Parts: sequence; C-alpha cells; structure tokens
Amino acid sequence: AQSVTQLGSHVSVSEGALVLLRCNYSSSVPPYLFWYVQYPNQGLQLLLKYTSAATLVKGINGFEAEFKKSETSFHLTKPSAHMSDAAEYFCAVSDRGGGGNKLTFGTGTQLKVEL
Amino acid sequence: NAGVTQTPKFRILKIGQSMTLQCTQDMNHNYMYWYRQDPGMGLKLIYYSVGAGITDKGEVPNGYNVSRSTTEDFPLRLELAAPSQTSVYFCASSSSLNSNQPQHFGDGTRLSIL
Repeated sequence: AQSVTQLGSHVSVSEGALVLLRCNYSSSVPPYLFWYVQYPNQGLQLLLKYTSAATLVKGINGFEAEFKKSETSFHLTKPSAHMSDAAEYFCAVSDRGGGGNKLTFGTGTQLKVEL
Repeated sequence: NAGVTQTPKFRILKIGQSMTLQCTQDMNHNYMYWYRQDPGMGLKLIYYSVGAGITDKGEVPNGYNVSRSTTEDFPLRLELAAPSQTSVYFCASSSSLNSNQPQHFGDGTRLSIL
C-alpha cells in the first residue's frame, strides 16, 4: 500500500523568504507524485507532477519539487514567498497501474505568508 | 471551458434525509472520483469510476452510493444522512490515456448534517 506523509500541518514564512514544504512517500513501485494547491473555498489545482522524466520538476507560480529516491522525498520549494502563495498544499502519490489512477493524499500543509 | 462542475455548492440536511450531489465534466474523461475532505485529514476517496457503467469502492464508501450512466456525469447519493457525513465533497476526473495523468477537481459541495 502506498502512503504520503507531509511533515508540518502549518508552515509560516515571511514574504520574500524561502518556502519549503515536505513530502515523503511510501510506494512499492516507482511512483508518480503530484503537488496540488487549494485556495479557500476552491477545489484543488495541480502545481506540478513527477513522472520519472526528470528529478527536478518545475511547476506553476514559481514552485518546483525534487524527487529523491534515496530519501523517498518530493519536497516542494519556492525561492521567494509571495502573499498570494498563502493556501493549503497537498502532496499525492498515484497507484500507477492499480486501476483508475487513484491518488493517495497527504494530510496537507497550510502555508501562511506574513509581511 | 467549464471542466468539472459540482452542484449544489452548499447544503444543509437533517439527519435521515437523503440527497444527491451532482458532478459533470466536459473533458471526455473516462475516470471520475468522489472525495471527502475533513479538517486535518486530507482527501479520502469514496468511490471512483473507470468508465460508464463501471464503479468501485474507495477508502470510505460506507453510507454512499454512486452510478455512472454516461461519461459526463457521476452523481453521489447519500441515502440516510448522518452527522459523520458533514464534510466538503469534491468530484474529480482524469484522462485514462496513461497513469500519470493529473486529476481535475470541481469547487466542492459543502454539506452539513444537523
């Protein structure tokens, strides 16, 4: 069974500071990994995805994530936080061939950006 | 470009009532999903479908039913509403072309059972 752990349910950074949101996965096969963002009262939007083509993945809004097999990690980063980045972020792993492309989500990290 | 549309956006039900949450997508996706989101718990898969006429249980299916008569629509039914079903419900869809396709989400239905 696959699983995702997001360390830190709440992260607070200053505007302009580095954003680092942590995600560790457990999967019996090479995974497909996703980061989604959720703004208040909205659905989830795809930020980026890892599908084994390249270990450093660039997404929308200046975010990127690096797949590290040895650490079973897929941490999300952004060099300089903006107020508009305040949202909840979810890491997810795909069942990859288990039928239906089902996703297993982490419990989410709420990002707060302060002036 | 509508994507995934969910109705209603908000609903209050009394214990024991029934209702259907509607979901429709215009992307011709074969795969569709229903999740519930509770604070601090992430998203949990209720049911999913790999095509018209085919549905299967997810992680938390008890108390819910689904049907998939067309590619576009995937309604979720609550037969006897219970307070534990108070949650935000999200419908999603994805292409079946290969297993790395992302899921596209609707804006959710916020349901309270009182």
